[in-house]
Order: sequence, then structure tokens, then C-alpha cells
Amino acid sequence: DGGITQSPKYLFRKEGQNVTLSCEQNLNHDAMYWYRQDPGQGLRLIYYSQIVNDFQKGDIAEGYSVSREKKESFPLTVTSAQKNPTAFYLCASSKGRGQAGGYTFGSGTRLTVV
Amino acid sequence: GENVEQHPSTLSVQEGDSAVIKCTYSDSASNYFPWYKQELGKRPQLIIDIRSNVGEKKDQRIAVTLNKTAKHFSLHITETQPEDSAVYFCAARGVGGGADGLTFGKGTHLIIQP
Repeated sequence: DGGITQSPKYLFRKEGQNVTLSCEQNLNHDAMYWYRQDPGQGLRLIYYSQIVNDFQKGDIAEGYSVSREKKESFPLTVTSAQKNPTAFYLCASSKGRGQAGGYTFGSGTRLTVV
Repeated sequence: GENVEQHPSTLSVQEGDSAVIKCTYSDSASNYFPWYKQELGKRPQLIIDIRSNVGEKKDQRIAVTLNKTAKHFSLHITETQPEDSAVYFCAARGVGGGADGLTFGKGTHLIIQP
């Protein structure tokens, strides 16, 4: 779906539970990103990765973790330390720093705490 | 780091009229300015972008202008149609440091009144 796939589309988390959101791209992009979207807040950067086996914290990394073991995959784990995880999560990819073009976004995962 | 301000947060226009959304940025070294359209519950999609060596770019009913001196850029939509209703995000990419440098504005909810 547009070269970048997020799953699941909807996810429910119980209090104290860790959950993992999947993001896969077949665009051969070097860079991948996770954003959180809340109403009226725009897009806030959680984590990003410029290359395999390397990632950096964004503006709101607390309570989240990531891995980048493969170029195609950048899963996000929402841990129990994230006290307000209910939000719409968007994964994106790009060719990488200094390269032409913007981001390609996935279709998002809506996470709800129950 | 880069800071992007976007105005207005909500814009309501009559069908057929023009709509203008404005953004300012803080990093004078920023060199790439994309605009994204996000329909309700869907992913943001790139609709137009402009680089710092260009002052204006058009694509059918959509245009973007850039004033590097004043550090602001604008999205212009002419002859608005119901399908233009969405949230629009501007972004700016700085150079050096950070996640490939894309910083997003908080978004403008464009409402097209019939």
C-alpha cells in the first residue's frame, strides 16, 4: 500500500502492557521515522533511523523503544512507561539525509488504551 | 533546531473561492519545504514541494510560494472543491543534525463550504 505498510490498523492495549507496532517498506529507503499524532498537536517525532542498526530519539521518545535490524523494518514498541499512549501513530520513510524528496507515510495505527 | 509555525489552525472558505495557508520557519539554512494533505483517518500525502532556489511552484490548482528573506512560505489553492477539505501540514527541512531535518507545522483544517 504505497510502498510502506503499517499493522495493525487498530490496536488496543491494557494498562501495564507493552505493544509493538509494525512498519515495513519496500521503497529501498534508508531513513525511517515514527510520529505520534494527537488532535491539534500536529506530527511529533518519536524516533528515527538514518541507517540499519542505528536510531535516534526524537522529541517525545520517553516510553517508546525501536529497533532497526533490517533496512525494510522499523518496529515501534509502546511500553508500560508511556502513560498516555492513546493516539494515531504514523510511520514514514525517506531516501535519507541530503537526498531529494520528502517522506512517504504509512496508513497509520490507531492505538487505544482499554 | 528548526521551528515551524502554521496559520490559521482552521480555515473555512466557500466552494470556488481561494484558500491560503501560511507557514514561517526559523532556520535560515532550511532548503526544502513540502506540503502534505491528510484526509480524516488517512495518511498524510505529499501534494507539492518547493526548494530554496525557487520562489514559486504551481501544479494545477495548487501553488506554493517561498520568501527566503522573510522565512515564510504559503500554500495557495484556487477554485476550491469539496474534496479539498482536509488537514494540511507544512514542513521545513534544515541542514545538519536531526532526523533528516523535516519539522512539521501543527496543521490547518481546511473546510470547504458548499
